[in-house]
Amino acid sequence: AQSVTQLGSHVSVSEGALVLLRCNYSSSVPPYLFWYVQYPNQGLQLLLKYTSAATLVKGINGFEAEFKKSETSFHLTKPSAHMSDAAEYFCAVGTGANSKLTFGKGITLSVRP
Amino acid sequence: NAGVTQTPKFQVLKTGQSMTLQCAQDMNHNSMYWYRQDPGMGLRLIYYSASEGTTDKGEVPNGYNVSRLNKREFSLRLESAAPSQTSVYFCASRETGIDTGELFFGEGSRLTVL
Repeated sequence: AQSVTQLGSHVSVSEGALVLLRCNYSSSVPPYLFWYVQYPNQGLQLLLKYTSAATLVKGINGFEAEFKKSETSFHLTKPSAHMSDAAEYFCAVGTGANSKLTFGKGITLSVRP
Repeated sequence: NAGVTQTPKFQVLKTGQSMTLQCAQDMNHNSMYWYRQDPGMGLRLIYYSASEGTTDKGEVPNGYNVSRLNKREFSLRLESAAPSQTSVYFCASRETGIDTGELFFGEGSRLTVL
């Protein structure tokens, strides 16, 4: 079985501040990990994915995430928040080529001017 | 690039009515999925189809049926809608056989059951 925990439902940062969105996973086998972003009234789109090639993964819009096996974590970061980053962010885990993805409950990011 | 297309985008139903949500993808993906999104609950898998001709239950299948009409199309049917089925429904597709296959999502169908 696999699961994802995203602590908290809402994060608020000032424009230009560091963004840190936490994700912890549970998996009995090596996982594949994803971060998706959802802008208001839209579907989800992929930010980045971890596929075991490198532990530090860079995605679109300046986001990156680091896979830490010892901490079972895959936290999402961005050095400097922009107003356009305001959205809902979902972490997801899969365990194989044909496995279903399990999503976390999502975190809403607000960016203050 | 159409990607994953869902219809309708909005629908209001009365309790007990039936309806079908349509989904089509033009990426030649083998696998297709239906999720529902509710506040504070994230995305929960309703049904999925790993390949044409197969369907399987996900986490929350009760009250729903699906049909994988062909490789492109995967429909979700509510036979007798209930207020608890008020939600945003997302269809997604994915290439299987690739370890890192990501899900591609449609824009969602917002359903209200009165």
